[in-house]
Amino acid sequence: AQSVTQPDIHITVSEGASLELRCNYSYGATPYLFWYVQSPGQGLQLLLKYFSGDTLVQGIKGFEAEFKRSQSSFNLRKPSVHWSDAAEYFCAVGNQGGKLIFGQGTELSVKP
Amino acid sequence: SAVISQKPSRDICQRGTSLTIQCQVDSQVTMMFWYRQQPGQSLTLIATANQGSEATYESGFVIDKFPISRPNLTFSTLTVSNMSPEDSSIYLCSVEWPQGVLETQYFGPGTRLLVL
Repeated sequence: AQSVTQPDIHITVSEGASLELRCNYSYGATPYLFWYVQSPGQGLQLLLKYFSGDTLVQGIKGFEAEFKRSQSSFNLRKPSVHWSDAAEYFCAVGNQGGKLIFGQGTELSVKP
Repeated sequence: SAVISQKPSRDICQRGTSLTIQCQVDSQVTMMFWYRQQPGQSLTLIATANQGSEATYESGFVIDKFPISRPNLTFSTLTVSNMSPEDSSIYLCSVEWPQGVLETQYFGPGTRLLVL
């Protein structure tokens, strides 16, 4: 069965520091992978996606993610975090049928 | 991306009543989805709504509790029936966009429901 694991429930980083949010998935075929962000009181915004090809994908707001098939991972990174990045981040895996399976989310806090 | 709106944005309801949530898209889309996000939890798919056919419900969700309509390619409704406090959640609709090419789901802003 498909599943997504985000091992870190809550992460705190200092503003300007680098960030890496972890995501591991379980899926029998080549996965479609997504990262979404949910700011307080908001809906979900797509940060980036991976379908195939280059394993390093660039997204909006300076985020990037790297697909590593050998590790079944799709970690999200940002070189320098801004206070406005404080939010909940969700990793998701999808299939051609359109269904998305979401991880539990990682809450990011940013210290001034 | 497609622009998605939901109504109402939030509501407070009494137990035993029903609430209908609307989802409007600015483009014609084939597949629409409804999700529930319980407090402090991740998103769980309730059902998939394709225009012209009955909605397909995920395990644990039934049509009597969450009836869905999909009258055209830009609109859908989800009703939460006979509500109890356990139904307090954020309900989000999403659509696949663009059509037919590496579809990606885009989400509406959500409806925040509190049941007393």
